[in-house]
Amino acid sequence: SSELTQDPAVSVALGQTVRITCQGDSLRAFSANWYQQKPGQAPLLVIYDKKHRPSGIPARFSGSGSGTTASLTITGAQAEDEADYYCDSRDSSGYHVVFGGGTKVTVL
Amino acid sequence: QVQLQESGPGLVKPSQTLSLTCSVSGGSMNSGYHYWSWIRQPAGKGLEWIGRISTSGSATSNPSLESRVTISIDTSQDLFSLKLTSVTAADTAVYYCARRATWGPEYFDSWGQGTLVTVSS
Repeated sequence: SSELTQDPAVSVALGQTVRITCQGDSLRAFSANWYQQKPGQAPLLVIYDKKHRPSGIPARFSGSGSGTTASLTITGAQAEDEADYYCDSRDSSGYHVVFGGGTKVTVL
Repeated sequence: QVQLQESGPGLVKPSQTLSLTCSVSGGSMNSGYHYWSWIRQPAGKGLEWIGRISTSGSATSNPSLESRVTISIDTSQDLFSLKLTSVTAADTAVYYCARRATWGPEYFDSWGQGTLVTVSS
């Protein structure tokens, strides 16, 4: 079982906004990161340290968080954003990495 | 831009030891603040962190796997390795190596392409 909880699946209309959440007690102390994974590919970092975008990641991806919840928002979703999204952080001990179960985003 | 590449047998028999190596290129493993990590993903399932090692050789692993996991590093050859003992079908997965930045916040900033390991007789 994962110490970070994500909704299994969400859908969004093309060009609309979708928010994905990640919940866990350890998020009070440690920030979350977000990864995008498309079929057959390795995960790609899209947000780190709760809200920072790596270079090359479109500005439509943004992150936020408060308390035990971290969020990834895609504003103006594109067809190429259809993928699985995973959050990660440290576990409650602080010594280990834990991933959320992943959210499958479908762009309609 | 650092690149990581996993290598090792794609088929392992039950009860035997899974051994994988991750070769790092495009930059020295000793530069910067990084942990070198293993992550796996069974088909159709989510990501599971296996463990990590620092360039000083300090390793830690997932409590659910730690009795079977050994992670080692050879910075002179820019590679690190995973051994997982007593494998079963449940260990069948795509195994990724990844670099975790640790300069302040921690995050996986580079990943290998992944290698499928099947446990079967």
